[in-house]
Amino acid sequence: EAQVTQNPRYLITVTGKKLTVTCSQNMNHEYMSWYRQDPGLGLRQIYYSMNVEVTDKGDVPEGYKVSRKEKRNFPLILESPSPNQTSLYFCASSPGGGGFPYEQYFGPGTRLTVT
Amino acid sequence: AQTVTQSQPEMSVQEAETVTLSCTYDTSENNYYLFWYKQPPSRQMILVIRQEAYKQQNATENRFSVNFQKAAKSFSLKISDSQLGDTAMYFCAFMKPRRTSGTYKYIFGTGTRLKVLA
Repeated sequence: EAQVTQNPRYLITVTGKKLTVTCSQNMNHEYMSWYRQDPGLGLRQIYYSMNVEVTDKGDVPEGYKVSRKEKRNFPLILESPSPNQTSLYFCASSPGGGGFPYEQYFGPGTRLTVT
Repeated sequence: AQTVTQSQPEMSVQEAETVTLSCTYDTSENNYYLFWYKQPPSRQMILVIRQEAYKQQNATENRFSVNFQKAAKSFSLKISDSQLGDTAMYFCAFMKPRRTSGTYKYIFGTGTRLKVLA
């Protein structure tokens, strides 16, 4: 089954404790992206990757890191989480390659709480 | 910078009726793509419909259709014969490929929460 998976689905952590949220897709998509969803703000793009070793900042990259060493994986790293990073996080992928259809396929989301 | 505005935070509609969700965007570009995504209580994001800006014909997917007004920068979603399963948050999204770098970013609106009433 074609899908985007994220782990963990729920995470409660404390301020300053490094964490990684994994994202994997099995559709051979070139484009992958991370979003955070907050009430009243919609989805905001954190980072995106056009292909292996090619990443770029979205609109809210501060406090986050990403890497794309393999085409299928795109982990999100919070080196020193803070309470303002409490949010619902989504990973998404898209075929990319410079052509339509461009629509994104989303993972199930990760609910992160930083205390 | 591109922006996407959804001016209706919440809406409700009776089952079997028709409802229209509004979305406006701001861009100086000519070639771009627009999407509507649905997020039911399960939180899963599901593509509802997409529209290429260079196409004048409005996109349609079963009970879902759009009214794309390029000059007015408007991209509304019409849901016909509303069903209880349509209850969800709906997000409008804009994407513009960057010709020089080949990269692209997505801009989402703040969402409209739709409740279908029995």
